[in-house]
Amino acid sequence: KAGVTQTPRYLIKTRGQQVTLSCSPISGHRSVSWYQQTPGQGLQFLFEYFSETQRNKGNFPGRFSGRQFSNSRSEMNVSTLELGDSALYLCASSLGSGGSSYNEQFFGPGTRLTVL
Amino acid sequence: KQEVTQIPAALSVPEGENLVLNCSFTDSAIYNLQWFRQDPGKGLTSLLLIQSSQREQTSGRLNASLDKSSGRSTLYIAASQPGDSATYLCATNSGYALNFGKGTSLLVTP
Repeated sequence: KAGVTQTPRYLIKTRGQQVTLSCSPISGHRSVSWYQQTPGQGLQFLFEYFSETQRNKGNFPGRFSGRQFSNSRSEMNVSTLELGDSALYLCASSLGSGGSSYNEQFFGPGTRLTVL
Repeated sequence: KQEVTQIPAALSVPEGENLVLNCSFTDSAIYNLQWFRQDPGKGLTSLLLIQSSQREQTSGRLNASLDKSSGRSTLYIAASQPGDSATYLCATNSGYALNFGKGTSLLVTP
């Protein structure tokens, strides 16, 4: 079974631009979560989508948004990029939404975003 | 708010040693706890999932334990190898999101 895939793997943008990242979950998984990883803050939760609905949202500004399609693929958008948005963006997929002891999350390879 | 702490932050051991990585968390109301491995610049690889009702899980040379009442988990790696060098992260699942520790950076020297 194919794992979680993310595209693109690397992106370089300038301040003020916007960017869209894509995540394809493991086949059959309906939940996709997004995380930001930086050296200073570690891994921080952005949001979770399940069956095309945003279930949970982390403490990030409204510039960060996402959506999920009927095939469970998800996109994350960041508008008006800032230098501090430079990070590794990881998505994770799981069979169900968070509240289950069986719910194991599987991560993709990430998208490395550099904002100049 | 769940706080997850991993000690030590970095560890260097010679090949063949058995080692223990520690993870502590402040809120015992968790659904499960996962241990991950991350190689430099890469994504996270799930190593073990321990459900809240379980005390331990084993996979090959890895054994993870969970003590919810004391807010602690340990990852035991037996007979370490240079290929085990990576950052190891623990994460608690509160039903809302995974809460990660900052990780333990492990270096296994030949």
